[in-house]
Amino acid sequence: AQTVTQSQPEMSVQEAETVTLSCTYDTSENNYYLFWYKQPPSRQMILVIRQEAYKQQNATENRFSVNFQKAAKSFSLKISDSQLGDTAMYFCAFMKQQGGSEKLVFGKGTKLTVNP
Amino acid sequence: DVKVTQSSRYLVKRTGEKVFLECVQDMDHENMFWYRQDPGLGLRLIYFSYDVKMKEKGDIPEGYSVSREKKERFSLILESASTNQTSMYLCASSSLTGSNQPQHFGDGTRLSIL
Repeated sequence: AQTVTQSQPEMSVQEAETVTLSCTYDTSENNYYLFWYKQPPSRQMILVIRQEAYKQQNATENRFSVNFQKAAKSFSLKISDSQLGDTAMYFCAFMKQQGGSEKLVFGKGTKLTVNP
Repeated sequence: DVKVTQSSRYLVKRTGEKVFLECVQDMDHENMFWYRQDPGLGLRLIYFSYDVKMKEKGDIPEGYSVSREKKERFSLILESASTNQTSMYLCASSSLTGSNQPQHFGDGTRLSIL
């Protein structure tokens, strides 16, 4: 069974600095997708970034980038130039096939606080 | 723009009541999902549906059922609510299987069972 582990329950960073959130996963599949979702306080969960396992190039979305190490089964999220609005719960997720659909397996989340 | 709407942000019910949580999406998505979110446990999948009248159990289906009579609507039912079902419930939807499209989430329903 696939599992996703986020080893940092809470992290904090100063505004304008860079922070890296870690995520490891366990799977025997070769083709899969990985996601980082962000959930601001009392607000909707939104997609931050996604990575296809067959792509060697790390995904980037503005200030957000990933370090995808397939052999090590590691998928960390780097936030550059942190902003106060980045304060949120961050969830790493792995997409797998089940039945006729694709389902996400989530990690337990990392609570990130950006301090002014 | 993508929109997933959950009928209530906050809901308080009593033990033993039958509780309905409603979710509607306006994106014509085939897949819909119900999760519960608890501190320190992340999101856990309760049920999902990949077509009208189709449903599959997720990781924690016990004590819950679902209904999908129309493509845009996916209901979660607590047949006889218990205090351990107090939680945040999130609905999500995504488009076709095989496209590996991300899931879009609603705002969540914070359910308290007294």
